[in-house]
Amino acid sequence: IQVTQSPSSLSASVGDRVTITCQASQDINNHLNWFQQKPGKAPNLLIYDASSLRAGVPSRFSGSGSGTHFTFTIRSLQPEDIATYYCQQYDNPALTFGGGTKVEIK
Amino acid sequence: QVRLVESGGGVVQPGGSLRLSCGASGFIFSFYGIHWVRQAPGKGLEWVAFIGLDEGDKYYADSVKGRFTISRDNSKNTVFLQMNSLGVEDTAVYYCAKGHLTAEWGQGTLVSVSS
Repeated sequence: IQVTQSPSSLSASVGDRVTITCQASQDINNHLNWFQQKPGKAPNLLIYDASSLRAGVPSRFSGSGSGTHFTFTIRSLQPEDIATYYCQQYDNPALTFGGGTKVEIK
Repeated sequence: QVRLVESGGGVVQPGGSLRLSCGASGFIFSFYGIHWVRQAPGKGLEWVAFIGLDEGDKYYADSVKGRFTISRDNSKNTVFLQMNSLGVEDTAVYYCAKGHLTAEWGQGTLVSVSS
């Protein structure tokens, strides 16, 4: 299963709404995660099952979509959100990741 | 509290071997499959291998098939990744992650393949 993520990078201002998309090559039954990764750290799961917010994750993060098309949104970008974000499908034990989106502050 | 700790990384010459370990605590180890995921310097995440609840349930990325072997020892709460015929393209931080959801990850161990 191929997973295509866009954009590869973006620059936004504090308080902006940020959106990242992920397209799967086939229906993945909403088995999609969104991770945040900061330099030198392991990925941190934010959203699972395409739209479920993991406990303890700020509510400004959200996910939506179904079938093959998915969206990740940061409602109001904060300075601590600077990181690289990855989508990942887990419908198949052979996981696949999107290429990542590096989010920077303008 | 779930904890995963990778170990066994290091510097190895091309063609060499390494055995990584992923030690687990804080959950019933035998109830969960474990993934290995790697990240080359400055690159994205690449899935490497998965082991299910028993030794018969294993999957590998095409890039490592035939060279890497994943195994588990439930008595030691540990998953292993035996890596043979290493090439420079295998240089990466290797992470283990718990379960199909991969909600919890270790801190990673660095494998550097260099002459």
